[in-house]
Amino acid sequence: AQSVTQPDIHITVSEGASLELRCNYSYGATPYLFWYVQSPGQGLQLLLKYFSGDTLVQGIKGFEAEFKRSQSSFNLRKPSVHWSDAAEYFCAVYNQGGKLIFGQGTELSVKP
Amino acid sequence: DAGITQSPRYKITETGRQVTLMCHQTWSHSYMFWYRQDLGHGLRLIYYSAAADITDKGEVPDGYVVSRSKTENFPLTLESATRSQTSVYFCASSVRLAGGPPDYEQYFGPGTRLTVT
Repeated sequence: AQSVTQPDIHITVSEGASLELRCNYSYGATPYLFWYVQSPGQGLQLLLKYFSGDTLVQGIKGFEAEFKRSQSSFNLRKPSVHWSDAAEYFCAVYNQGGKLIFGQGTELSVKP
Repeated sequence: DAGITQSPRYKITETGRQVTLMCHQTWSHSYMFWYRQDLGHGLRLIYYSAAADITDKGEVPDGYVVSRSKTENFPLTLESATRSQTSVYFCASSVRLAGGPPDYEQYFGPGTRLTVT
């Protein structure tokens, strides 16, 4: 069965430091992968998505993610974190029938 | 450009009562979804709909009922609320494109925080 694992429940980084959030997926075919961000008290917003082609995907707010088939990973990165990036981040994989399967989420805290 | 809206945003109800959460989207998206978000579980799919009058169960459908008589509305009903249904509920919609790579991006509403006492 398809699944998504985000190994880190909570991460704290200093403002200005680099960030990498991990995501591993289990999917038989070529996956369609997504990263969403949820700010406190709000719904989810799409950061970026991967369907095919270039394995390095650029998203909004300066985020990028790299698809690595050999590692079944789709890690999210940002070179320099801002305090406004504090939020919860969800990785998701497309499942049949138009559905998404979400990971459990990683909560990001940013230290001043 | 209203997008996708949910009402109410906050609801407190008692065990055993019927509660309906509303979801409305202005894009005429064919797909609509209901999720619940709980600590430690991320988002779990309750029900989804591929079009008007077509609905199907997700991962955690027990205790919930949905309908979709119009493309733009997708209400979720808790027929007899239980404390385990205390959660934040999100509605989402997406486009299903005919031909070419599908666009599975889902657009989320702001959520409804439901407390069952």
